[in-house]
Amino acid sequence: ETGVTQSPTHLIKTRGQQVTLRCSSQSGHNTVSWYQQALGQGPQFIFQYYREEENGRGNFPPRFSGLQFPNYSSELNVNALELDDSALYLCASSLGGQGGVAKNIQYFGAGTRLSVL
Amino acid sequence: AQSVTQLDSQVPVFEEAPVELRCNYSSSVSVYLFWYVQYPNQGLQLLLKYLSGSTLVKGINGFEAEFNKSQTSFHLRKPSVHISDTAEYFCAVAQGQGNLIFGKGTKLSVKP
Repeated sequence: ETGVTQSPTHLIKTRGQQVTLRCSSQSGHNTVSWYQQALGQGPQFIFQYYREEENGRGNFPPRFSGLQFPNYSSELNVNALELDDSALYLCASSLGGQGGVAKNIQYFGAGTRLSVL
Repeated sequence: AQSVTQLDSQVPVFEEAPVELRCNYSSSVSVYLFWYVQYPNQGLQLLLKYLSGSTLVKGINGFEAEFNKSQTSFHLRKPSVHISDTAEYFCAVAQGQGNLIFGKGTKLSVKP
C-alpha cells in the first residue's frame, strides 16, 4: 500500500465525452504526476503538479488538463475523448520542489482504467 | 532526450532458476534509475533504485540490479525466482523535473 488512492477504478465513456479522474496523494507529499499506460506499453508522462501549479508536461495535447488542490490531491481531465485515450491512467505522488527533484521516489496508485467506445 | 530500452518483452523461466531482465538507457546527464514491478490489475511498486554510490543495488523481494555506466545498462537480477514473481517489470530513468521515462516493460513468467 502506497497511500495513493485513485478513483474511479474503472470507467467507460463514449467518443467525444469528457472525463475526470481523481487522485489523493500520500500524506506529506506535495507533488502529483500523471501517466498514461496504453495496453502493452510502459507508462507515459502526461504532466506534473507541484503546489497547485503545473510543473512539467509531456507530449500530450491541451485537451488533457489537470488541477491540484490545496490538500495536494489532483484531478486529470480529458476533453473530447478519442478511442486512443483508452488506457490505464496512473497517478504518482512524491515530495518534490520547483523544477522537480529527480531523485525523489514516486509512489503509484492502482490506476483508473478508462475505456472509450 | 533520455530513453529506456528493455531488450526482452517476455521472459519465461522455471521456478528456482535465476533470471536477468535487461535494461539500457540513454542519457547525457547524471542518471537516476529505477525498477518497478506491476502485478495484474495493480499499479507500480518500486523494486529498487540507483541514485549514486555503489553500483550494485539491492531491492525488495530478493532482487538486485547493477548500474554500468560504460555500457549504459541497469539490468535486474534474481538468483532464484518464485511463482509469485510473475509480473511485468519496468525500468525507468528520472528526468530533471522528476518525471519518469519508462521502458516498454518485460513480462516475467515463472513456471512450476
